[in-house]
Amino acid sequence: DIQMTQSPSSLSASVGDRVTMTCRASQDISNYLAWFQQKPGKAPKSLISAASSLQRGVPSKFSGSGSGTDFTLTISSLQPEDFATYYCQQYNSYPYTFGQGTKLEIK
Amino acid sequence: EVQVVESGGGLIQSGGSLRLSCAASGFIVSSNYMSWVRQAPGKGLEWVSIIYSGGSTDYADSVKGRFTISRDNSKNTLYLQMNSLRADDTAVYYCVRGRDGYNWGQGTLVTVSS
Repeated sequence: DIQMTQSPSSLSASVGDRVTMTCRASQDISNYLAWFQQKPGKAPKSLISAASSLQRGVPSKFSGSGSGTDFTLTISSLQPEDFATYYCQQYNSYPYTFGQGTKLEIK
Repeated sequence: EVQVVESGGGLIQSGGSLRLSCAASGFIVSSNYMSWVRQAPGKGLEWVSIIYSGGSTDYADSVKGRFTISRDNSKNTLYLQMNSLRADDTAVYYCVRGRDGYNWGQGTLVTVSS
């Protein structure tokens, strides 16, 4: 199975900050990488697919990059509604696997 | 509007069976890759199973042989038949459209008591 490792596990930032989090795959997954945002008690929401393609309706403050084994999610100009847990997922091969999540908290 | 709505969760004893349903609207289930993803209380996301548009299926090792994914094209509905349930199957189960997780339902809670 492909292991997905996210770092950091938690991140403290202030409103207005720009933050970057990373996701590393244990083997090459090309660009078959998705990012999700999850708020407490809610279902995950798709942000990015194919490593860097923004889903419809997702603000351009979110951006993704990477290919192969190393990927990043960047959020610019943090707003209160952005504080949540973010997950990456590879869909290159079965079983699909998720990272353990990065919890973004308000400083 | 695209929507997926899960149902069928509940409290079940260890060893029991349960069938989850996912009613879709705004798109055709049989034309999409459809998955089930679960999340144990306070834990991360775990992919469970997928059915391809062509009808083939795949499963996580943790549920292989116990869970079966299927769909009813006439009802535009996805199912997950769960047998031989164990305490570690306790989770919110999400119905997800697309390989890249484009649409998620609100989830249905399955609690397996030992």
